[in-house]
Amino acid sequence: DAGVTQSPTHLIKTRGQQVTLRCSPKSGHDTVSWYQQALGQGPQFIFQYYEEEERQRGNFPDRFSGHQFPNYSSELNVNALLLGDSALYLCASSPSGSYNEQFFGPGTRLTVL
Amino acid sequence: QKEVEQNSGPLSVPEGAIASLNCTYSDRVSQSFFWYRQYSGKSPELIMSIYSNGDKEDGRFTAQLNKASQYVSLLIRDSQPSDSATYLCAVRETGRRALTFGSGTRLQVQP
Repeated sequence: DAGVTQSPTHLIKTRGQQVTLRCSPKSGHDTVSWYQQALGQGPQFIFQYYEEEERQRGNFPDRFSGHQFPNYSSELNVNALLLGDSALYLCASSPSGSYNEQFFGPGTRLTVL
Repeated sequence: QKEVEQNSGPLSVPEGAIASLNCTYSDRVSQSFFWYRQYSGKSPELIMSIYSNGDKEDGRFTAQLNKASQYVSLLIRDSQPSDSATYLCAVRETGRRALTFGSGTRLQVQP
């Protein structure tokens, strides 16, 4: 039973560039949430996708956007990268209809130079 | 702005002792509560969830919830060096999908 997978593992970009991160949810899950975790902090909610629509959004600027595909996988796009966007980006999946237990993937470490 | 507060630690306990990790939250409509364990350089791993007042036990872990006091705790019995990690408390507000996390408590179990 495959867990949540994310790609790439690590990424280095320069300021102003754009990045796309990818996530495949755990088998049987159809809801995907994205979180940003800065060093020494807890994860911060970016947004959640269910049925290919953004269902809730956290306090992140419009430079952060996402998409969910019919197979439930998801992408996180960040435009006009800033140094402060350097963080671990985590994808979490949860079962259909569940607002509760969320299971995290291994994360993508993004470094912006 | 709802907040989840945790002591950053480190909390140091000897092997075999009980580790007690605490979390307070500011939002009275929070409904669901979770403890995640995060090893250095890894992603958070869900270890406990609790939804109603009282205690919930799972192996060596016990989660305790007191909604009146807006307090949730995690007890780890017979602590092992492999339990050394950062423990994140997360809460979910009624009707909302997002989890709000504390900054975590670093636990060190001394052999």
